[in-house]
Amino acid sequence: NAGVMQNPRHLVRRRGQEARLRCSPMKGHSHVYWYRQLPEEGLKFMVYLQKENIIDESGMPKERFSAEFPKEGPSILRIQQVVRGDSAAYFCASSMAGGPQETQYFGPGTRLLVL
Amino acid sequence: AQSVTQLDSQVPVFEEAPVELRCNYSSSVSVYLFWYVQYPNQGLQLLLKYLSGSTLVKGINGFEAEFNKSQTSFHLRKPSVHISDTAEYFCAARASGGSYIPTFGRGTSLIVHP
Repeated sequence: NAGVMQNPRHLVRRRGQEARLRCSPMKGHSHVYWYRQLPEEGLKFMVYLQKENIIDESGMPKERFSAEFPKEGPSILRIQQVVRGDSAAYFCASSMAGGPQETQYFGPGTRLLVL
Repeated sequence: AQSVTQLDSQVPVFEEAPVELRCNYSSSVSVYLFWYVQYPNQGLQLLLKYLSGSTLVKGINGFEAEFNKSQTSFHLRKPSVHISDTAEYFCAARASGGSYIPTFGRGTSLIVHP
């Protein structure tokens, strides 16, 4: 059973470009979470999605960032007009259900570097 | 809302020595507690979790943690570490009343020397 998959693993963008990060949850999981990890910091929640629905985007910056989880295909985190401060590791996690006891399984992350 | 404090940013230790990584939490409601390990350039892997019941929780790789409600702590321990335990360790808390969003500590870097 494959784990959570993320691609690309590393992404380099110039300021002003767009970054698209993809996450395929574990088989049978319909709940996806995105987190951002800045250097020497813990993970910060960004957004929680179920298939075709955004459940909670309270951790997402109001501008330039968007996320989706379509009926078919991976979840996408999109960052428009990237700036140097967007450089971070972005992790996706998935779970079978959404309760607080549910274990979230993490992917290996996408490390975004903005030049 | 809850907060998680990991008191040590870095813990150096010799191989086969015991280790304790400290975690304290603050919350106005009861919480579930988790420890994750992150190896270089990898995602987080769950080591163990406390939901209810026995306050001593055993996890993978020989780690265990003890929930202490009075001291609001959830320290992680291992009696004898290996070089391969060198990694970043994160403590996390989630409100038991329905929140799916964990709050993570800033992490403790465990460095095991030969």
